[in-house]
Amino acid sequence: AQTVTQSQPEMSVQEAETVTLSCTYDTSESDYYLFWYKQPPSRQMILVIRQEAYKQQNATENRFSVNFQKAAKSFSLKISDSQLGDAAMYFCAYRSATVDDMRFGAGTRLTVKP
Amino acid sequence: EADIYQTPRYLVIGTGKKITLECSQTMGHDKMYWYQQDPGMELHLIHYSYGVNSTEKGDLSSESTVSRIRTEHFPLTLESARPSHTSQYLCASSKYGGPYGYTFGSGTRLTVV
Repeated sequence: AQTVTQSQPEMSVQEAETVTLSCTYDTSESDYYLFWYKQPPSRQMILVIRQEAYKQQNATENRFSVNFQKAAKSFSLKISDSQLGDAAMYFCAYRSATVDDMRFGAGTRLTVKP
Repeated sequence: EADIYQTPRYLVIGTGKKITLECSQTMGHDKMYWYQQDPGMELHLIHYSYGVNSTEKGDLSSESTVSRIRTEHFPLTLESARPSHTSQYLCASSKYGGPYGYTFGSGTRLTVV
């Protein structure tokens, strides 16, 4: 079974600085999808960014970008120009293209300091 | 705006009571899920459904049950609530297959006293 590992339970960043959240996964498949979700305190979990494994180009959504290293099975999230509203739990997730279930990491709690 | 709705948002209930947590989505998604999550902690899949009349247990053993009589509705029921059931319950839905993420509801925070 696929596993997703987020090795940083907590991270902290100064407002306007850049932070990178790490995620690794274990799979024997070649076709899959990767996601980062954001869960603000007491608010709905939302999708931040997604990456399709067959695409070499790293996904970008405004201040959020990923560094996808397929061979290393690594999928990190970079948040540029951090804002107070970025403070949240961030979950990395893997979705198989064949089995079609989603596996979540344990999450990283991001604190943004003013 | 959320296209998946969970009610109630908060619930405090006594031990032994029967409760039903509601989840409805308006996106026509085939797949729906229930996760249990202690605040700020990881997600645990407790039930999922691939469509009407399809329900499966997830990775985490749960005393709850679910039903899927209509595509848009996926309620979760606890026949006899216990303090150990105190947690947050998240409902999610998804299209089947493809690079689609899950859409999550706002959650129900359940406290059993």
